[in-house]
Amino acid sequence: GAVVSQHPSWVICKSGTSVKIECRSLDFQATTMFWYRQFPKQSLMLMATSNEGSKATYEQGVEKDKFLINHASLTLSTLTVTSAHPEDSSFYICSARNWDTRIGNQPQHFGDGTRLSIL
Amino acid sequence: QKEVEQNSGPLSVPEGAIASLNCTYSDRGSQSFFWYRQYSGKSPELIMFIYSNGDKEDGRFTAQLNKASQYVSLLIRDSQPSDSATYLCAVNINASGGSYIPTFGRGTSLIVHP
Repeated sequence: GAVVSQHPSWVICKSGTSVKIECRSLDFQATTMFWYRQFPKQSLMLMATSNEGSKATYEQGVEKDKFLINHASLTLSTLTVTSAHPEDSSFYICSARNWDTRIGNQPQHFGDGTRLSIL
Repeated sequence: QKEVEQNSGPLSVPEGAIASLNCTYSDRGSQSFFWYRQYSGKSPELIMFIYSNGDKEDGRFTAQLNKASQYVSLLIRDSQPSDSATYLCAVNINASGGSYIPTFGRGTSLIVHP
């Protein structure tokens, strides 16, 4: 259980292109989804937290107009990198978490990530 | 700034030995603690989570939590070369509005040599 599907796995595109990445929870309802970015040999960096049906909360330094997040249903969140530039090239990873009132919280489960290369 | 600290390593252990990975956190109110394993070029995968003080065992893995001392550790018994990876400690930090934001340590690189 707790499978998170993320696609595409790889994207190579020209500078100025907008890229959409999808994240789906396949066998559970994700009240919260998270978007991370990771540069080579560096730690995960949380970009934003997305709760179903509400606006995403962005971390300091992350441009919300550049990284558009939509979490319209309990199983799907999307991240759109608008007008991507070479410095946006990175490994983007989503994760999903449900809320279990018996425990008070649940672990997050990660998608396989999307490797984005902007030429 | 609420933080999660890990020694970046690398921690090198021989095959069959016990690997001990440690993590400290600064937020006393934290209630949920997680260990993830991340292979190079891959996304993290959940190994264990622990909510209560004490030990929690799952196969070769044991998570230990001490809330008074604000540390959580992961023991890997009978370490195998396939355990070589970066191990991420994550703590759910209580943010404003009653939400819990996962905060990751920088990860500890583990190398198990034959």
